[in-house]
Amino acid sequence: DVKVTQSSRYLVKRTGEKVFLECVQDMDHENMFWYRQDPGLGLRLIYFSYDVKMKEKGDIPEGYSVSREKKERFSLILESASTNQTSMYLCASSLERVGRNTEAFFGQGTRLTVV
Amino acid sequence: LAKTTQPISMDSYEGQEVNITCSHNNIATNDYITWYQQFPSQGPRFIIQGYKTKVTNEVASLFIPADRKSSTLSLPRVSLSDTAVYYCLVVFTGGGNKLTFGTGTQLKVEL
Repeated sequence: DVKVTQSSRYLVKRTGEKVFLECVQDMDHENMFWYRQDPGLGLRLIYFSYDVKMKEKGDIPEGYSVSREKKERFSLILESASTNQTSMYLCASSLERVGRNTEAFFGQGTRLTVV
Repeated sequence: LAKTTQPISMDSYEGQEVNITCSHNNIATNDYITWYQQFPSQGPRFIIQGYKTKVTNEVASLFIPADRKSSTLSLPRVSLSDTAVYYCLVVFTGGGNKLTFGTGTQLKVEL
């Protein structure tokens, strides 16, 4: 069975802390994505990666960075957490960088609260 | 990237067919149309994908006219468990596979 695992379901951090959100997929997928979801705003793409050590900015990359040192793992980093980064964060992966298989698999999400 | 527009919300009753239309006026040749479903407190789940005409699977049908500027997701005989947010995506398959979601359509099914 396909699996995307996010390291935490709930997280509470203080303003100014450096926060790491981890995501692991076991499907040998090339693409991995980080989104945040807020009421009324839908899912917004923060960053994505199509290969190890490769990253591309999504629609709202400000305040975030990412790391992909291994194919199966994609980390989202909040360099200095702020209250406006309180959100649900969702990780996803999909098989191919190029091609017609556009199915993505999502993790359960991490609800981050910054106080 | 092609922008999509879909209704914010729809209401239906159990047993009815529901059609959700998405417009994507600037869709490109290498773009595929993909729909996802999201239940509360879960990540989105892939439902169906198509390029043109009609695609059907065990969950839904997808109708795409010849000009591909819109598409319609059809859910036959909905039940309460189909209450969810439905997202229409246009995905460029020529490289990058960037998946951009919008705000989706909140479908509410009642008895």
